[in-house]
Amino acid sequence: NAGVTQTPKFRILKIGQSMTLQCTQDMNHNYMYWYRQDPGMGLKLIYYSVGAGITDKGEVPNGYNVSRSTTEDFPLRLELAAPSQTSVYFCASSYSFLFNEKLFFGSGTQLSVL
Amino acid sequence: DAKTTQPPSMDCAEGRAANLPCNHSTISGNEYVYWYRQIHSQGPQYIIHGLKNNETNEMASLIITEDRKSSTLILPHATLRDTAVYYCIVTQGNTPLVFGKGTRLSVIA
Repeated sequence: NAGVTQTPKFRILKIGQSMTLQCTQDMNHNYMYWYRQDPGMGLKLIYYSVGAGITDKGEVPNGYNVSRSTTEDFPLRLELAAPSQTSVYFCASSYSFLFNEKLFFGSGTQLSVL
Repeated sequence: DAKTTQPPSMDCAEGRAANLPCNHSTISGNEYVYWYRQIHSQGPQYIIHGLKNNETNEMASLIITEDRKSSTLILPHATLRDTAVYYCIVTQGNTPLVFGKGTRLSVIA
């Protein structure tokens, strides 16, 4: 059972570089999410999607872009990386907002921008 | 604006019950109370949820006060593996979940 798979697990970027964090799920979930977590803090929602072709901003979308061309994949793009984007990034998926007991998270990507 | 208030940290002796409080004094009638936990640096994991009635599953019990303004998550026999950050979340189920800072529970041998 793969569930939600995130790659890479760790990455170091230089200021100004760009990268894409990959997220894929095999549960046929329509809803997918990207959260970030700074040390000692709760998770902050970056972007979410309620289906292929539909994305919406969360609490902290600045500096990020997303796309949802398939049900399975929800990549997060960082353009012009900044030290403030150093964080752990979690992707998650669910059937809908109603089924929060079936909100599944990936294992996270630890990103450092130096 | 935070919908819930939780103590930042708590300790519990191994084998004893861990009682984690959550205040949600502005909860509305159609909002659920959800509990998640996050072990070390893993993604959060669902524990339990409820609307009005007390709930129990294989992981924990959830006690919601009659006025629904607060709740308590109970881990009946805490083990070292229950050391984690516990999040209490209030939601109508029509938006993504918002995670606060939670309570860091340390289970001590």
